[in-house]
Amino acid sequence: GENVEQHPSTLSVQEGDSAVIKCTYSDSASNYFPWYKQELGKGPQLIIDIRSNVGEKKDQRIAVTLNKTAKHFSLHITETQPEDSAVYFCAASKPLKAAGNKLTFGGGTRVLVKP
Amino acid sequence: GAGVSQSPRYKVAKRGQDVALRCDPISGHVSLFWYQQALGQGPEFLTYFQNEAQLDKSGLPSDRFFAERPEGSVSTLKIQRTQQEDSAVYLCASRHRPGQAVNSPLHFGNGTRLTVT
Repeated sequence: GENVEQHPSTLSVQEGDSAVIKCTYSDSASNYFPWYKQELGKGPQLIIDIRSNVGEKKDQRIAVTLNKTAKHFSLHITETQPEDSAVYFCAASKPLKAAGNKLTFGGGTRVLVKP
Repeated sequence: GAGVSQSPRYKVAKRGQDVALRCDPISGHVSLFWYQQALGQGPEFLTYFQNEAQLDKSGLPSDRFFAERPEGSVSTLKIQRTQQEDSAVYLCASRHRPGQAVNSPLHFGNGTRLTVT
């Protein structure tokens, strides 16, 4: 099955600096890569996603890049703010309708933005 | 409702007790997933429903775990004879359409935190 590795496990940045989180996946058939933000006591919330026919996608201060050949994708947060502090998860899924295109998650990155 | 609703938010069970966790997906959402999230880890897939049909239960860790969605809306995850290793947050998620339809993201509830003592 699919395996998603995520690094680093913790990341501390100064407010205003950039944060980068990297993930690798194992199954070349995977074609959908969302990123979720999880705050304490809450469920994961989708912040951005990318499909395999696109190499990069931006939404204000966040961007995601995908390298299909190397099977890795990254989340970039620019101009970090204290409210960006949370746990971030990458995920991957492949077009397997019988399984609902279930997501396989990475282990998470705890991001702390210091004011 | 506005989002995926799960109840109870917290559940404490003594080892050996049975528990039932409820999920109310977003109205009209066809796909429903259950995930298990251990402390400090990413969510792990348990099972998937498309309407009332359970199409994938490959992630259920043992036959003590059972899920149902009889009318294609509300779903219940039942755990029989709970063990300490069952302690985790159980997340429910729903999606409007089956598959990866464009503009059909997966929405998660806030989960039920189960503690088995």
